[in-house]
Amino acid sequence: DTEVTQTPKHLVMGMTNKKSLKCEQHMGHRAMYWYKQKAKKPPELMFVYSYEKLSINESVPSRFSPECPNSSLLNLHLHALQPEDSALYLCASSLQTGASSYNEQFFGPGTRLTVL
Amino acid sequence: EDKVVQSPLSLVVHEGDTVTLNCSYEVTNFRSLLWYKQEKKAPTFLFMLTSSGIEKKSGRLSSILDKKELFSILNITATQTGDSAVYLCAVAHSGGSNYKLTFGKGTLLTVNP
Repeated sequence: DTEVTQTPKHLVMGMTNKKSLKCEQHMGHRAMYWYKQKAKKPPELMFVYSYEKLSINESVPSRFSPECPNSSLLNLHLHALQPEDSALYLCASSLQTGASSYNEQFFGPGTRLTVL
Repeated sequence: EDKVVQSPLSLVVHEGDTVTLNCSYEVTNFRSLLWYKQEKKAPTFLFMLTSSGIEKKSGRLSSILDKKELFSILNITATQTGDSAVYLCAVAHSGGSNYKLTFGKGTLLTVNP
């Protein structure tokens, strides 16, 4: 299995809803990432998990809450989002994140989120 | 501030043309440079470059890195309509025990029949 999967593919939610995005990989990768991508813009890093611990939070608002239950799974819990949070949310994984590692990141297909 | 600059931002060519996409960078603790192709969904990995002057090739695509001048180029020869996509350059750089990718804004390539 050499892919990163994400569910759901599309999500429409209201500003008062609570929802979760899921990401899974079975490549034995120990680093997992959440990115946000707006239309015609490059991906922007949100969070990095390394060995199931949060290692980078790029000053993301608390209405986004990541969780890494185990080395294969990464969740992003959403609550009280704003319409400007509508975007493509990409999950990625890499072998690890250590400074001695030169690892490419493999991306999932993304979840297209619309906040009404 | 870490930055990755791609040029041109967009490019329109005819099938069969050869194109060169550019990526320059200024980051702390450079580790590697990666090229991705993004069509409608997630970026798909093309190349990872870590050493200067060593060309990587995959079919009609090739790429090379110059760590002294801090840039990379991606060449596509005999372009096809299926090459139409956004090509993203990303630089992996580390701070402490972590590394992250900083992306350029991408080059939108359109190949017309």
